[in-house]
Amino acid sequence: AQSVAQPEDQVNVAEGNPLTVKCTYSVSGNPYLFWYVQYPNRGLQFLLKYITGDNLVKGSYGFEAEFNKSQTSFHLKKPSALVSDSALYFCAVRDAAAGNKLTFGGGTRVLVKP
Amino acid sequence: DAGVTQSPTHLIKTRGQHVTLRCSPISGHKSVSWYQQVLGQGPQFIFQYYEKEERGRGNFPDRFSARQFPNYSSELNVNALLLGDSALYLCASSLGRETWRSNQPQHFGDGTRLSIL
Repeated sequence: AQSVAQPEDQVNVAEGNPLTVKCTYSVSGNPYLFWYVQYPNRGLQFLLKYITGDNLVKGSYGFEAEFNKSQTSFHLKKPSALVSDSALYFCAVRDAAAGNKLTFGGGTRVLVKP
Repeated sequence: DAGVTQSPTHLIKTRGQHVTLRCSPISGHKSVSWYQQVLGQGPQFIFQYYEKEERGRGNFPDRFSARQFPNYSSELNVNALLLGDSALYLCASSLGRETWRSNQPQHFGDGTRLSIL
């Protein structure tokens, strides 16, 4: 069985400061990892993915994520947060041997204050 | 280019009723997946369809069913609605069943918010 944990319900950061949203995962095979963002009353928007290769993945809107196999983590980062980054962020994992099913974490609400 | 479209956007039903939700995938996408997102939680996988066949099913009761049409659009049906079925229902499309090999992400619609009274 695959699972995802996002240990922080909410992250508060001042505009211009670095932003980190934590994610750890558990899969039986090789993980495919994804980050999505959700704005109020909207669906999920894809930010970035890790499949294989470089541990540092760059995505949309200046976001990046670092894959750490030994710590089974895939933390989302942004060097300088914007007020418009305030939203709900979801980490998701797909077991490479288990088809297209995505398993999501519970989400982390990010609040960027001006 | 149009993204994933879902209808209706909002729906109010009463307990015991039946509901049908609709989804049109991104042009060229052949796989459709359905997710349930209860308020304050992450989305939960319900079904995946590809080429009109069910390719995956989550831990949901038989009251939930779905189908995919030749044009790759999809319907999610829920019978005998319960208060606990109140949620945002999300549809996601991707290129195909072999998406996990091609590593393409799923793209989500804005969902249908279902409220059960």
